[in-house]
Amino acid sequence: SSELTQDPAVSVALGQTVRITCQGDSLKSHYASWYQQKPGQAPVLVVYGKNNRPSGIPDRFSGSSSGNTASLTITGAQAEDEADYYCNSRDSSANLFGGGTKLTVL
Amino acid sequence: QVQLQESGPGLVKPSQTLSLTCTVSGGSISSGGYYWSWIRQHPGKGLEWIGYINYSGSTYYNPSLKSRVTISVDTSKNQFSLKLNSVTAADTAVYYCARWIVTTSAFFDYWGQGTLVTVSS
Repeated sequence: SSELTQDPAVSVALGQTVRITCQGDSLKSHYASWYQQKPGQAPVLVVYGKNNRPSGIPDRFSGSSSGNTASLTITGAQAEDEADYYCNSRDSSANLFGGGTKLTVL
Repeated sequence: QVQLQESGPGLVKPSQTLSLTCTVSGGSISSGGYYWSWIRQHPGKGLEWIGYINYSGSTYYNPSLKSRVTISVDTSKNQFSLKLNSVTAADTAVYYCARWIVTTSAFFDYWGQGTLVTVSS
């Protein structure tokens, strides 16, 4: 069955750049969307489509895609970016989430 | 600003039916281009898509849950609902409702705060 694969954990030094990746066959045909989730809170959309951010999301968040891999890049990571990040894409008539990446800001 | 709010029992007995409702405010559930969705998150785990419905009642379900899930919409109340039958402890999770928008891309733009449902006798 289709799935989206993410690294379970990634760390980044404060102010540095980090890339979180998501792999899956569905990404060859569909853009990924990315969600940030902090403890005890609902997920928040941070990037969608080719590289779009909802209103209120800092421009240090960006997205890209190549083949079966989508990436979320945080340029100049801040302490408040420490969270779980999930990728998502449609797959035929279904919908997939990656397993999530826990980002630690050192 | 669209807002979604889940409601329903926080405790369900094994083998019974879990029933939740999501009330949408700040926008009409009858607007085209949206799918009204249920997503759950087991304690300490990732997100799992359950299914969604559009305003006309077209539904799509996660194949792994399809035999137990029913999602319905009540446009007069601007609500949509989830029923999950024959629940077990494995269905204990935080349940979120969300709006899925499909344009040139697809994404969940608004989420409810989530409600914890515990399956226990």
